[in-house]
Formats: sequence, structure tokens, C-alpha cells
Amino acid sequence: NAGVMQNPRHLVRRRGQEARLRCSPMKGHSHVYWYRQLPEEGLKFMVYLQKENIIDESGMPKERFSAEFPKEGPSILRIQQVVRGDSAAYFCASSPTSGSIDEQFFGPGTRLTVL
Amino acid sequence: GQQLNQSPQSMFIQEGEDVSMNCTSSSIFNTWLWYKQDPGEGPVLLIALYKAGELTSNGRLTAQFGITRKDSFLNISASIPSDVGIYFCAGQGTSGTYKYIFGTGTRLKVLA
Repeated sequence: NAGVMQNPRHLVRRRGQEARLRCSPMKGHSHVYWYRQLPEEGLKFMVYLQKENIIDESGMPKERFSAEFPKEGPSILRIQQVVRGDSAAYFCASSPTSGSIDEQFFGPGTRLTVL
Repeated sequence: GQQLNQSPQSMFIQEGEDVSMNCTSSSIFNTWLWYKQDPGEGPVLLIALYKAGELTSNGRLTAQFGITRKDSFLNISASIPSDVGIYFCAGQGTSGTYKYIFGTGTRLKVLA
């Protein structure tokens, strides 16, 4: 039973480019959460999605960031026109039901470096 | 907003020693979670606490949910080299929400 998959594991972008981060939830999980971790800090909630729906994006920056979880395929976190401050590790987690406190399983993360 | 203060920020200990770290909040939490993150990986849940005063063990790990609901501690007994990593506490502030607030982590290094 594969865990949460994220790719790429490492992503390097120049300022102004777009970054696309992918997350495939665990089999049977239809709820996806994205978190951002800046160096030396804890994880911060960004967005919660179910299939084809954004449930809560209160942690997402208002501009340049978007997320989707289509009916088929992985969840995508998209960052347009990246800036140096976007450099961080981005983790997704999935759960089988909503509000499942101890049932959020984390992926290995994508480490984004903006040059 | 709610904040979690985690201490110590880092610690070096000898193999075999016991380790203690704690987390305090500016407000009440309904759930406390403790995670371990290995370098280059995502966090893995170690222990979940749901009730004030609750004391829960997972092997050599023991965690407690403080009576005031504003703090929690994690103890690791007889540390071994593979305990090295970053330990995060996380809290759920409002019942029924899925959002965790994470502490800044305690970086543990074990000297063999």
C-alpha cells in the first residue's frame, strides 16, 4: 500500500518562473491538505481540498498561489512568478475522511529553491 | 493567532539518556499531536492526545496532555542514535477542524 507520493522531490526555479508541485494521496484517501515549511520552522497549513473542490484555502497567499484536486490525477499546487521567499519545503497530507485528526499521512515533501 | 512555543530548540544527548521536550500554547487546545521528521522526509505521527491529563506511551516514547490544555510534553527514554531528528508538536485549537498549528520543532542529536 503506497504512501502519499509527491513529485518532484526537489525543484529549482528562477525568479518569475512557475512551479508545479504534485501530490498523489494514499489509495482510498479523497482529502488532501497542503502545508509549507520554511527553514527552521514548523509546518503551516495552506489549503484543504477534496476531489474537485477547494474546502478551505485560508492559509494560501492571496496572489500567485493556486491549488486543485481534479477528479482524475494528482492534486497540484501551482505557484506562479516565483520569488525567493517561496523557497521552502511543501508537504501534502491525505486522509480518508475530513477532520481526521490522526489520519493525516504526510508525503515526503517537495523542496523548492528559487534562484 | 494561536502560537505554539516548543523547547528546547535543540539538544545534544548521549546515547542511553532520557530526553524531555515540551510545548506550550497561548490558548487552549483540544488535541495535541507529536511528530518526528527525519531529514528530507515528511513528519510521521508518534503520539496523539485527546483529553486533558491523558498520558500515552508508544514504545520508549511517552507524552502527556497538560491539565490546563495549554501544554504537552514528550519524553524519550533510553535514547538511541536513530532517535535523531526534529520533533514537532502540533495542536488542534477548535473542535472539529482539520487545521493543525505546528511548533517550531526540537532538533535532537544523539551522540553514540
